Amino acid sequence: AQKVTQAQTEISVVEKEDVTLDCVYETRDTTYYLFWYKQPPSGELVFLIRRNSFDEQNEISGRYSWNFQKSTSSFNFTITASQVVDSAVYFCALFNQAGTALIFGKGTTLSVSS
Amino acid sequence: GAVVSQHPSRVICKSGTSVKIECRSLDFQATTMFWYRQFPKQSLMLMATSNEGSKATYEQGVEKDKFLINHASLTLSTLTVTSAHPEDSSFYICSARQGFVRPLTFGSGTRLTVV
Repeated sequence: AQKVTQAQTEISVVEKEDVTLDCVYETRDTTYYLFWYKQPPSGELVFLIRRNSFDEQNEISGRYSWNFQKSTSSFNFTITASQVVDSAVYFCALFNQAGTALIFGKGTTLSVSS
Repeated sequence: GAVVSQHPSRVICKSGTSVKIECRSLDFQATTMFWYRQFPKQSLMLMATSNEGSKATYEQGVEKDKFLINHASLTLSTLTVTSAHPEDSSFYICSARQGFVRPLTFGSGTRLTVV
């Protein structure tokens, strides 16, 4: 069975704080893809990153960074120096090789206050 | 590139009526489109997968007669909520796949309110 767990339901931080959103996944497939999406209050889903199961390199994009560790089945997302505009729901998702559809975690609501 | 347009963004309908939601891939051909449903403060739950020219595959618990999905062309899929009831009020969002390794592109969603 496939499953994505985002244990943090809500996180509140003050601007300029760093924050890490956790994601743990379960799959029996050896080839799979992991994603992070951002959903602002307007509702649309904004793609942030895709990582395949063979690429454990961490990635940094501006204030965003991702740490993928197959040994712990985790794909955590860190926002450095958070800003109010980062306030949104963040979803981690899993896509297996069979390519059925994305399986989403329950999401983490991030609130950044000024 | 890879833009998915979903229409309408918001719709209010009376109980018992039907509502059609369109999902279009604007600059690519989408062999597969997915329909998700999201209740307030909850995750996105896959409702069905539609492949162009064939019947949609529905997830367990989703009534295929209530949520009619048509994927008549490589750029258009529609979801029709038939005989809508207040409990059908939700946020519906479609996504389209261009190839396998590209990230899914999502529409902007449709907020349905049944009164």
